[in-house]
Amino acid sequence: SAVISQKPSRDICQRGTSLTIQCQVDSQVTMMFWYRQQPGQSLTLIATANQGSEATYESGFVIDKFPISRPNLTFSTLTVSNMSPEDSSIYLCSVEEGLAGGLEQFFGPGTRLTVL
Amino acid sequence: GENVEQHPSTLSVQEGDSAVIKCTYSDSASNYFPWYKQELGKRPQLIIDIRSNVGEKKDQRIAVTLNKTAKHFSLHITETQPEDSAVYSCGGTSYGKLTFGQGTILTVHP
Repeated sequence: SAVISQKPSRDICQRGTSLTIQCQVDSQVTMMFWYRQQPGQSLTLIATANQGSEATYESGFVIDKFPISRPNLTFSTLTVSNMSPEDSSIYLCSVEEGLAGGLEQFFGPGTRLTVL
Repeated sequence: GENVEQHPSTLSVQEGDSAVIKCTYSDSASNYFPWYKQELGKRPQLIIDIRSNVGEKKDQRIAVTLNKTAKHFSLHITETQPEDSAVYSCGGTSYGKLTFGQGTILTVHP
């Protein structure tokens, strides 16, 4: 199964600043996904990052607020721009891998963001 | 797009009891339904999944049932143990995109 790492694991940021989260996978994958998770809740998909093309954003998320880069098949970044306390959350990246005839999503360890 | 609803949002049971979490989905094209378990401070992990051509799947104490006509599926955990305490999230996959339900916080009391 894919091994995924994220940096930073956590950060405390000031309102109005930006934070870039990195996601590294140990194998080449076509699509990488970025999720947000509020405390005690499930995961909300922010966007799908494709290598060589612009990311596809879900309803309620825009590129100006969450710019994404995907320079190669093993790496992606998510930037949380002009942060406010409402952006405090856990951000996770994930990848799909074909196993046993199907596709399973594997998640990174997450980045816990606190905005003051 | 797909909309996945999950109930209940919280579930508290005594050790040894069974726990059932239910999800409904909106897109009849959805064909893959995973369940993830996420312990506090850890990443989500797949615990069981079911495809649209199967009605039931079981793995030891965990089972999932799917009713395609009604567009709902359920997670069943029998003989619950304190280590089953976690957030459980169901998902529906349509055209390669996975949508999660709102999550259920399961607490198993010893």
